[in-house]
Amino acid sequence: EIVLTQSPGTLSLSSGERATLSCRASQSVSRSYLAWYQQKPGQAPRLLIYGASSRATGIPDRFSGSGSGTDFTLTISRLEPEDFAVYYCQQYENSPFTFGPGTKVDIK
Amino acid sequence: QVQLVESGGGVVQPGRSLRLSCAASGFTFSSYGMHWVRQAPGKGLEWVAIISYDGSKKYYADSVKGRFTSSRDNSKNTLYLQMNSLRAEDTAVYYCAKDAHFWSGYIDYWGQGTLVTVSS
Repeated sequence: EIVLTQSPGTLSLSSGERATLSCRASQSVSRSYLAWYQQKPGQAPRLLIYGASSRATGIPDRFSGSGSGTDFTLTISRLEPEDFAVYYCQQYENSPFTFGPGTKVDIK
Repeated sequence: QVQLVESGGGVVQPGRSLRLSCAASGFTFSSYGMHWVRQAPGKGLEWVAIISYDGSKKYYADSVKGRFTSSRDNSKNTLYLQMNSLRAEDTAVYYCAKDAHFWSGYIDYWGQGTLVTVSS
């Protein structure tokens, strides 16, 4: 099973700032089969990024994904008020298709 | 538009069974793999199961293997999760979710979830 670790656990930032979220895998996700999701309180998750760097339909270009192998990054270039949420990475290289524990981005 | 509506959640005693349903619309259900993902109260997401577009292939998380069974009825556009031998640690919101392709492993649409509480 591929175990994902996300850091930091919580990121406290202000609107307009840049957010950098990390996702590290216990073994190589060799085909960059990594996705990022956003979840707001009381809501279902929403797909942001797949294939490590491809934005899902309708996702603003302030969200970008990068990385390969075992180290992946989600960057939000300038935080908008609606971006304060929890972000999860997920690998779909191998079953079980595990999620990371999440990074909470909250308002400083 | 894609809609996924879960039902069947509730309070159940440990050791008992429960079946969740997910009614799908707005896409060709029989062409896509489907997932179950759960989230314990205040916790993160846990992937539970995937079933292929035709129901022939199924994978499960180790935590539910042998107790949970995913199935589908493509004639009814409905996904099911049969949960047996339930434990307190199965308490969670259960999401039905659509695979982005026939079998990719990542999810492009989610339902709103149904809460399962396992308690005596």
